[in-house]
Amino acid sequence: QKEVEQDPGPLSVPEGAIVSLNCTYSNSAFQYFMWYRQYSRKGPELLMYTYSSGNKEDGRFTAQVDKSSKYISLFIRDSQPSDSATYLCAMSEEKGAQKLVFGQGTRLTINP
Amino acid sequence: NAGVTQTPKFRILKIGQSMTLQCTQDMNHNYMYWYRQDPGMGLKLIYYSVGAGITDKGEVPNGYNVSRSTTEDFPLRLELAAPSQTSVYFCASSYSGLLVDFGPGTRLTVT
Repeated sequence: QKEVEQDPGPLSVPEGAIVSLNCTYSNSAFQYFMWYRQYSRKGPELLMYTYSSGNKEDGRFTAQVDKSSKYISLFIRDSQPSDSATYLCAMSEEKGAQKLVFGQGTRLTINP
Repeated sequence: NAGVTQTPKFRILKIGQSMTLQCTQDMNHNYMYWYRQDPGMGLKLIYYSVGAGITDKGEVPNGYNVSRSTTEDFPLRLELAAPSQTSVYFCASSYSGLLVDFGPGTRLTVT
């Protein structure tokens, strides 16, 4: 079993839809959770960062962490074609990016 | 700030050749990393450094070497290239050791 599981998709939704992207994990010691966005042929860029459980909102993006279920989500409201990208979750037990474990990424397409 | 820069952008190597992937950051970050990303896969850590003169192995270090003589530069050396090293290589840096800034990547093909 992989330490972090992420559905690779592809996921295709119409513009304006609410998108839900998810990762599950097996290591209960993870406490730092991140979402990266990666456009085609570009490097990943940090989108959201959450420590421990709870929700965090930034504009159209909301990150949720449910440590009891070992499940994290990224919601995108009013999705735009410019949101089309691969979204990678990443998590770590402690500070130290050498400990980061990445999901394989979900490829998302927003259709105009 | 240019952030994290990588050269070259693309490279084709023959089996057995060697090359160095260059990485520079201008943010004065102590932490630097090399990842590889294979199609449909997540990022795998090759090597990392917590400061000049200090390097350590990541998850997939075999076939690679690194050095860190300055804060800014963190080159990755491939010796005796193999087809299994065909991948996209990302250099990254971090101030906090947790939130990482990635470079644009180097696409390497070994044939």
